[in-house]
Amino acid sequence: SDVLTQPPSVSVAPGQTATIACGGDNIGSEGVHWYQQKPGQAPVLVVHDDSDRPSGIPARFSGSSSGNTATLTISRVEAGDEADYYCQMWDRKSDHYVFGPGTRVTVL
Amino acid sequence: QAQLEESGGGVVPPGRSLRLSCSASGFTFDIYPMYWVRQAPGKGLEWVATISYDGNYKYYADSVKGRFSISRDNSKNMVYLQVNSLGPGDTAVYYCARSDLEMATRVNDAFDVWGRGTMVAVSS
Repeated sequence: SDVLTQPPSVSVAPGQTATIACGGDNIGSEGVHWYQQKPGQAPVLVVHDDSDRPSGIPARFSGSSSGNTATLTISRVEAGDEADYYCQMWDRKSDHYVFGPGTRVTVL
Repeated sequence: QAQLEESGGGVVPPGRSLRLSCSASGFTFDIYPMYWVRQAPGKGLEWVATISYDGNYKYYADSVKGRFSISRDNSKNMVYLQVNSLGPGDTAVYYCARSDLEMATRVNDAFDVWGRGTMVAVSS
């Protein structure tokens, strides 16, 4: 199955921009989805298919993909954005789903 | 409003079995693929199993293949995960999730609705 990589942590000051990278060999041939998980809560889908936002997700959350890297960008970061963020994609060859290891975003 | 609610978790000794259940409401259940995802304490998310909207296709993570079995009852809006031969590595919160695509089969869908999870702890 595919392996996705993410930085363990990202720190950002309120009002600034946080960027989280997700690397993988098959990124670009399949879309990447992003989830936010706050402590003690279930994950929430914040971006799907590289750059689409589900209804109800603020426009401050955006996604992009280039080459073998997908990126989640959180603009104008707020204290409430502090959470773990996971990228995920589907492995066409195995019909398995793969999650990245997760990135903890800390708001300073 | 689409909702999922898991149940059936608990503390079990190694080698035992459990059946986890997921009750769906607020959406047309029988047109969506469903998933189980687990999260060990302090760890990341791990996809466990997939079942197609009609129950005809099932896929499993290598770590559970041969021990876990996913099923669904579209007449009751329920999805199940039978977990057998449990070991310490199976200790986790088990989440039920829904595909964001209706009647999707073998596509790169996302999981847009999640339950709160049910905890399974394997301990002697």
